[in-house]
Amino acid sequence: ETGVTQTPRHLVMGMTNKKSLKCEQHLGHNAMYWYKQSAKKPLELMFVYNFKEQTENNSVPSRFSPECPNSSHLFLHLHTLQPEDSALYLCASSLQAPSDTSTDTQYFGPGTRLTVL
Amino acid sequence: AQKVTQAQTEISVVEKEDVTLDCVYETRDTTYYLFWYKQPPSGELVFLIRRNSFDEQNEISGRYSWNFQKSTSSFNFTITASQVVDSAVYFCALTGGGNKLTFGTGTQLKVEL
Repeated sequence: ETGVTQTPRHLVMGMTNKKSLKCEQHLGHNAMYWYKQSAKKPLELMFVYNFKEQTENNSVPSRFSPECPNSSHLFLHLHTLQPEDSALYLCASSLQAPSDTSTDTQYFGPGTRLTVL
Repeated sequence: AQKVTQAQTEISVVEKEDVTLDCVYETRDTTYYLFWYKQPPSGELVFLIRRNSFDEQNEISGRYSWNFQKSTSSFNFTITASQVVDSAVYFCALTGGGNKLTFGTGTQLKVEL
C-alpha cells in the first residue's frame, strides 16, 4: 500500500449504530487530520494529531471521537450520528503539524462516503 | 480571516481546449501558502502544487501551469490541451502557516470528447 488509505470506502449506518473509520498512512508522516466534505460546502477541518497528540479539535460534536494510537493510524469513532452528518470523510497526513509560520503539504486519502439513515 | 473564492462552479470544455480555473484569495498574512488539489470522482484529493507567497514565479508542469499574481491576489490554474482524464473538481486552498487550510468551494471541470 502506498500513500494514505481509508476503510471502509462506503458506510451506511443508522442513527443508533456505532461504527469506526480507519485511516493509515504509509508516508512516514507524523501529523494526521480528519476533514468533513459536505455537498456544496468547503472542506472542514475536524481534528489534527501531531506525534499521536491531538492538537486541534475544530468544535466537533462529541458524537465524533478520534483516536490516534500511533503516527501511522488514525480512527474516527462514530456514535448516535444525525442524518446531517452524512458526508465524505477525508483523512490526510503531513510530515508534521507545522508552526504558525510554516506549513507542510497535506496528502489525502480517498475518503469514506458516510450515509446516516 | 482568510478566504478563497473560486467563482467558477462548473466549466465544460471539449477535449484539446485550454481551460483556466480562477482562484482569488484574501489574507492579512504577509507569508502564506497556496495550493491546488484535484478531486477525481474516486474522491481522493490529489496534491498538484504548493506556492509560497514570496515566490511569484509562474510554474509549468507538463500541460499544467499556474499564474500567481500577488497584485491581484490570484493564483490561477491553466490546463493546456485538456483531456477527458482532467475531468474532476479542482480546489484552491490557502494557509498563513500552521495546519489549517482554507479551501475554496471548488470548480467542477468536465472535459468532453
